[in-house]
Amino acid sequence: KAGVTQTPRYLIKTRGQQVTLSCSPISGHRSVSWYQQTPGQGLQFLFEYFSETQRNKGNFPGRFSGRQFSNSRSEMNVSTLELGDSALYLCASSLAGTSLSDTQYFGPGTRLTVL
Amino acid sequence: AQKVTQAQTEISVVEKEDVTLDCVYETRDTTYYLFWYKQPPSGELVFLIRRNSFDEQNEISGRYSWNFQKSTSSFNFTITASQVVDSAVYFCALSSLSANSKLTFGKGITLSVRP
Repeated sequence: KAGVTQTPRYLIKTRGQQVTLSCSPISGHRSVSWYQQTPGQGLQFLFEYFSETQRNKGNFPGRFSGRQFSNSRSEMNVSTLELGDSALYLCASSLAGTSLSDTQYFGPGTRLTVL
Repeated sequence: AQKVTQAQTEISVVEKEDVTLDCVYETRDTTYYLFWYKQPPSGELVFLIRRNSFDEQNEISGRYSWNFQKSTSSFNFTITASQVVDSAVYFCALSSLSANSKLTFGKGITLSVRP
């Protein structure tokens, strides 16, 4: 089975721009979660989608948004980029996400640099 | 609120040494899951193990072993006879119902194994 894929792998943007990141989950997985990883804050949960609905949300400003399509693929969008948004954005997929025991499998991440 | 503490930030060992990575967690839930992930330089988080709060049996998988002790709220990870390929950042994570099953990560431990 193919793993979680994320595109693009690297992005360079300037302040004020917006960016869209894409994530394709493992086949059969219906839950997609997004995390931001920075040296200072570590790994922080952004949001989770299941069946095209946002089911869980972390403590991030409204500039961060996402969506999920009927094929479970997910995108996240960051508008009005700030320098502090520079990070590795990781996507994780799990079967249903409703069970504590569901294991999240991560993609390789998208490294976003904001200049 | 739930919290994961990895007090060690960086560990350096020589190949073939044994090394233990510590993880201490906090949660008010009685049912929860603990995870360990490995993040090599490529960036992708690799799932290593999942353990539920009702199973305190130690687990061994090849050179890896995990010691779960509810009495001390710890879930420590030992690598026996470390190898250079074990060099990575290791994260401990917690999932519980009160956090809507999202993963809360520790800050990670950077392990360097020198030849």
